[in-house]
Amino acid sequence: EADIYQTPRYLVIGTGKKITLECSQTMGHDKMYWYQQDPGMELHLIHYSYGVNSTEKGDLSSESTVSRIRTEHFPLTLESARPSHTSQYLCASSDSNRALQYFGPGTRLTVT
Amino acid sequence: GQNIDQPTEMTATEGAIVQINCTYQTSGFNGLFWYQQHAGEAPTFLSYNVLDGLEEKGRFSSFLSRSKGYSYLLLKELQMKDSASYLCAVRTGFQKLVFGTGTRLLVSP
Repeated sequence: EADIYQTPRYLVIGTGKKITLECSQTMGHDKMYWYQQDPGMELHLIHYSYGVNSTEKGDLSSESTVSRIRTEHFPLTLESARPSHTSQYLCASSDSNRALQYFGPGTRLTVT
Repeated sequence: GQNIDQPTEMTATEGAIVQINCTYQTSGFNGLFWYQQHAGEAPTFLSYNVLDGLEEKGRFSSFLSRSKGYSYLLLKELQMKDSASYLCAVRTGFQKLVFGTGTRLLVSP
């Protein structure tokens, strides 16, 4: 059973606000990922981390930033939210063998 | 570049068998995953292929041909709860996945 959590599940905020989306996992996985998914569209990798103090940008350019100070925690921050950031954000972590990624429930973000 | 193609939508009836195809052209290949995603929910793992051939797991089977850049997911004895999107994802590098757009499957009574 995968234990990966995201908060909040839903968020509606105004333009210009700073927000942090939380992601935590209790599986001890070194690798963690953030994906962005619009309705009916594919998942796009926006950030990933292979361990503490390691973060990389993904394949899709994003104005968000991430940090990895603890193995279990991988928050994503938007300094100034815009309507174009409206999307679902999915966090995942993976084991070291098959790279099987376990996904959190997601945060559905709406910026008005 | 990375290109993963799947049909956008498929329909089938309860109790039937359906095959969802996936073709890929990627800069690297270290395995292929199939995930199921219900509307508004997170993807959940279904199957993994790294060598050519068929992997069977209950009602679900997945096939891979690396030389053809081709995989399929076979769902047998379809149930209403199988209505979901099915995502094909290729592991291209060190634990990075590239996802297709997914195939939305609608199972009708």
